[in-house]
Amino acid sequence: AQRVTQPEKLLSVFKGAPVELKCNYSYSGSPELFWYVQYSRQRLQLLLRHISRESIKGFTADLNKGETSFHLKKPFAQEEDSAMYYCALRARGAGETSGSRLTFGEGTQLTVNP
Amino acid sequence: EPEVTQTPSHQVTQMGQEVILRCVPISNHLYFYWYRQILGQKVEFLVSFYNNEISEKSEIFDDQFSVERPDGSNFTLKIRSTKLEDSAMYFCASRKGGWNTEAFFGQGTRLTVV
Repeated sequence: AQRVTQPEKLLSVFKGAPVELKCNYSYSGSPELFWYVQYSRQRLQLLLRHISRESIKGFTADLNKGETSFHLKKPFAQEEDSAMYYCALRARGAGETSGSRLTFGEGTQLTVNP
Repeated sequence: EPEVTQTPSHQVTQMGQEVILRCVPISNHLYFYWYRQILGQKVEFLVSFYNNEISEKSEIFDDQFSVERPDGSNFTLKIRSTKLEDSAMYFCASRKGGWNTEAFFGQGTRLTVV
């Protein structure tokens, strides 16, 4: 079974402060991990994925298989980062037609205060 | 940039009625999904569709639900005999083939069953 946990429903920081949104997962196989973001009244959109190992809008996330975590970090938060953030997992190697579902965490509402 | 489009944005229906939620996936995508999010809860997978058939479904996707791709462009979710607990935001998503491809989400349809 696949499970994603985001322990913080709400996170509030001041502009310029570092931010870390936590994500832990449970999956017996090899996972693909994603962070999706949903700005106010907009659609879910991909922020980044662990395979790409990239930094988007200053955010990074490292897959830690030992701790089964994929925390999202940004050294200096901006007001425009205020949004709902979802961590998601997809099974890797299960085949194209099965196992491609995304399993989402509960989401963390990030508010960056001026 | 191409987008997944969902209609209507908000649907109100009486309990026991049938509803059809519509989605137009991105044109060269091969995999199609429906997810739902009950207010205050996580985004949950309902069903995936590939090559004109269901490839995977969750335990939520019972006989009350069906999906169809009637004309090669639209992708619909039908809910027969709606219940109050079907009230949720329903998201359509589509994806190109290949494991290193992301799912693109529509803006969602808010279904309210009264």
